[in-house]
Amino acid sequence: GQNIDQPTEMTATEGAIVQINCTYQTSGFNGLFWYQQHAGEAPTFLSYNVLDGLEEKGRFSSFLSRSKGYSYLLLKELQMKDSASYLCAVKDSNYQLIWGAGTKLIIKP
Amino acid sequence: IAGITQAPTSQILAAGRRMTLRCTQDMRHNAMYWYRQDLGLGLRLIHYSNTAGTTGKGEVPDGYSVSRANTDDFPLTLASAVPSQTSVYFCASSPVGTGGGDEQFFGPGTRLTVL
Repeated sequence: GQNIDQPTEMTATEGAIVQINCTYQTSGFNGLFWYQQHAGEAPTFLSYNVLDGLEEKGRFSSFLSRSKGYSYLLLKELQMKDSASYLCAVKDSNYQLIWGAGTKLIIKP
Repeated sequence: IAGITQAPTSQILAAGRRMTLRCTQDMRHNAMYWYRQDLGLGLRLIHYSNTAGTTGKGEVPDGYSVSRANTDDFPLTLASAVPSQTSVYFCASSPVGTGGGDEQFFGPGTRLTVL
């Protein structure tokens, strides 16, 4: 079967750095996405990786290793507004997104 | 206003009733999707449409039907609602559907409770 694993919850301090990991087993691979979802709101796109390596976008970076079935989202200079759930999703061989359950990130002052 | 709208925002429904959730996008995206989101689970695809006039089944299609008569609208119908269909429903769209880096844009969601 297809599976996306990520930690259920993480806590970090304002101004610090946090890394959210995602491992996947899917039928085919056509890219990995990270989305942010604030409580009670819709998911919004953060990043896309299809080749191995690091993609940097401001305070957020995303890394992919296809051979290991592994990705992480790195958030730097954490702000209170970064408190949200972070969803990892992989596009499979049918170009459908398979979603992880999400990691709830709690930022403390 | 560009984006995706969903209606209603929330609904309480008696079991056995028929219900249609509406979704409209004005971005001229080819592909549209319906997901349900339940606590502790990832988003699960119900149905999708890669272009107007075509639809496909996702991971959890039973009890739901969709139509795609035009590019903008993608309604989801529950023919006879059951309590296990209590969930938050998100509609999404993407420019292509079959592209790799094809980002999905989400509507605000409909919170449905079936009693």
